[in-house]
Amino acid sequence: NAGVTQTPKFRILKIGQSMTLQCTQDMNHNYMYWYRQDPGMGLKLIYYSVGAGITDKGEVPNGYNVSRSTTEDFPLRLELAAPSQTSVYFCASSYSIPWAPLHFGNGTRLTVT
Amino acid sequence: QQQVKQSPQSLIVQKGGISIINCAYENTAFDYFPWYQQFPGKGPALLIAIRPDVSEKKEGRFTISFNKSAKQFSLHIMDSQPGDSATYFCAASMDEGGSRLTFGEGTQLTVNP
Repeated sequence: NAGVTQTPKFRILKIGQSMTLQCTQDMNHNYMYWYRQDPGMGLKLIYYSVGAGITDKGEVPNGYNVSRSTTEDFPLRLELAAPSQTSVYFCASSYSIPWAPLHFGNGTRLTVT
Repeated sequence: QQQVKQSPQSLIVQKGGISIINCAYENTAFDYFPWYQQFPGKGPALLIAIRPDVSEKKEGRFTISFNKSAKQFSLHIMDSQPGDSATYFCAASMDEGGSRLTFGEGTQLTVNP
């Protein structure tokens, strides 16, 4: 199993550009999540999904959109990139059983200049 | 109300020593408290977790101590090793099943040989 795969690993965007961060998992997990990690701030939940076709906002959803058309994929869309979106983005997945551990990808480092 | 406060921000320990990282929370609805370990360039991975019906949980050299009345919990790493050098995040959840986590700010642990 590859686990959770995120692409790209690094990306530089200009202000106002858009992009999609890709996330796919091969563990047949129903739950998927997007977090952003900023130095000294921990990880903040952006969006999550409990299954295909179902998504919901987390703590910091502004400026982002998601979709979940399949169990495996959970892309994160950035529209009109802003410097405040410079961060490391982590996708994670888990089984839909109580207190299941989150399995994280290795992240996408995004810089908006 | 949703915050989890973690300290210290960084910690340096000698090989064989005890590493202690503390977390505090305000929201008494939190009922699941995991710790995640993150190595450079990787996503976080679950290390150990506790629920508030017990005051302590031990797995090998890692122990969580939980004080419900004080709304605090801590991670103790006994006989710390250079391979333990990583960033550690405490987290808490209040949703059914503990899937949506609120993370602390993180502690960068360095264990000197």
